[in-house]
Amino acid sequence: KQEVTQIPAALSVPEGENLVLNCSFTDSAIYNLQWFRQDPGKGLTSLLLIQSSQREQTSGRLNASLDKSSGRSTLYIAASQPGDSATYLCAVRSIHGGSQGNLIFGKGTKLSVKP
Amino acid sequence: EAGVAQSPRYKIIEKRQSVAFWCNPISGHATLYWYQQILGQGPKLLIQFQNNGVVDDSQLPKDRFSAERLKGVDSTLKIQPAKLEDSAVYLCASSFQGSEAFFGQGTRLTVV
Repeated sequence: KQEVTQIPAALSVPEGENLVLNCSFTDSAIYNLQWFRQDPGKGLTSLLLIQSSQREQTSGRLNASLDKSSGRSTLYIAASQPGDSATYLCAVRSIHGGSQGNLIFGKGTKLSVKP
Repeated sequence: EAGVAQSPRYKIIEKRQSVAFWCNPISGHATLYWYQQILGQGPKLLIQFQNNGVVDDSQLPKDRFSAERLKGVDSTLKIQPAKLEDSAVYLCASSFQGSEAFFGQGTRLTVV
């Protein structure tokens, strides 16, 4: 059974710092991995999607890497801003379901960026 | 491109009452998911549709929860009767052939 773990559960940093959020998964047979952002009381906003054949994806100040063999992904946020404060969730889609597999989520990392 | 629409945004009901949530996915997305997110936890899949067929409902409490997706577009999720532990945010998401999943704003349910 696939399990997704995110460390740390919470993180507080001063504005301008570069930071890394970690995601690990127990079954390396994944179809893809997706990072989301969730603001309080809101739904999930997709940040980056990495296919199983890819090593990384970049969008603006965000860079996500994937090491499928070791069951790890990292989300790198450059030059953090107070507006980046949110909960960041990692989700994997198992290869066993193929393109129809569902997303299995970690519990998230709650990020607070102080001005 | 319009996103995933959900309604209502908030609902407060007494235990043993019934409630229904509605979801309209992104146009052309054949896959639709309903997730339950309890405070402090990651979302947990309740049911997944491919067009109007059920792909996975293994974690749906079928004695009280039901869902349908008529005509392969809109979907409704119903709880009857509700329990206190059903208090959560119910999220609907859609995707096209296993690609990026997009989520709605969610419905926050409080059972008192």
